[in-house]
Amino acid sequence: QQQVKQSPQSLIVQKGGISIINCAYENTAFDYFPWYQQFPGKGPALLIAIRPDVSEKKEGRFTISFNKSAKQFSLHIMDSQPGDSATYFCAASMTSGTYKYIFGTGTRLKVLA
Amino acid sequence: DAGVIQSPRHEVTEMGQEVTLRCKPISGHNSLFWYRQTMMRGLELLIYFNNNVPIDDSGMPEDRFSAKMPNASFSTLKIQPSEPRDSAVYFCASSRQGLAGQGEQYFGPGTRLTVT
Repeated sequence: QQQVKQSPQSLIVQKGGISIINCAYENTAFDYFPWYQQFPGKGPALLIAIRPDVSEKKEGRFTISFNKSAKQFSLHIMDSQPGDSATYFCAASMTSGTYKYIFGTGTRLKVLA
Repeated sequence: DAGVIQSPRHEVTEMGQEVTLRCKPISGHNSLFWYRQTMMRGLELLIYFNNNVPIDDSGMPEDRFSAKMPNASFSTLKIQPSEPRDSAVYFCASSRQGLAGQGEQYFGPGTRLTVT
């Protein structure tokens, strides 16, 4: 029940295209859902995060869509650029309690020039 | 702000040796997390401290692993004795937790450990 399932494992997108990464969770107590971006040789960095009181959050070219009833959330990268090529991790946590993140397994995105 | 600082950045050691990884969290942050990242298992939480106290060490693989946080600005993760299967990238992250709720976790650059 603590797992966060992430798909796809890898993704290749043409420059200018839309990249979509999906995550699903089971524990309804999760109430904070961040996405992290990791470049090779670097630590993960927070990209965007959402709480379940909204269904969508947009920051620049990055959008999180959240479906509370389906217990799913997804990251959309509009107008994907080669500089977006990285590994993306979704995570889930509870804002009360232990605060620890449960991470998905990661999606390796490659945007072709 | 210097961010989370980890040392060493790379460590190569022989099986059976003791390894100590170090972390300096962001000043003012009161929570610290140690993670391990491998291709096979992804990003795993090993242990989490809040206000220097270990809160959850359920991810620590076995007794060969230990972690300490003697003060708010320093933490260590020790592996003794080390084994080849411990080879991974170890990340430290810190955040500020309070009454307002969840704080963003900031990750350090990681320590790449190779045990031969």
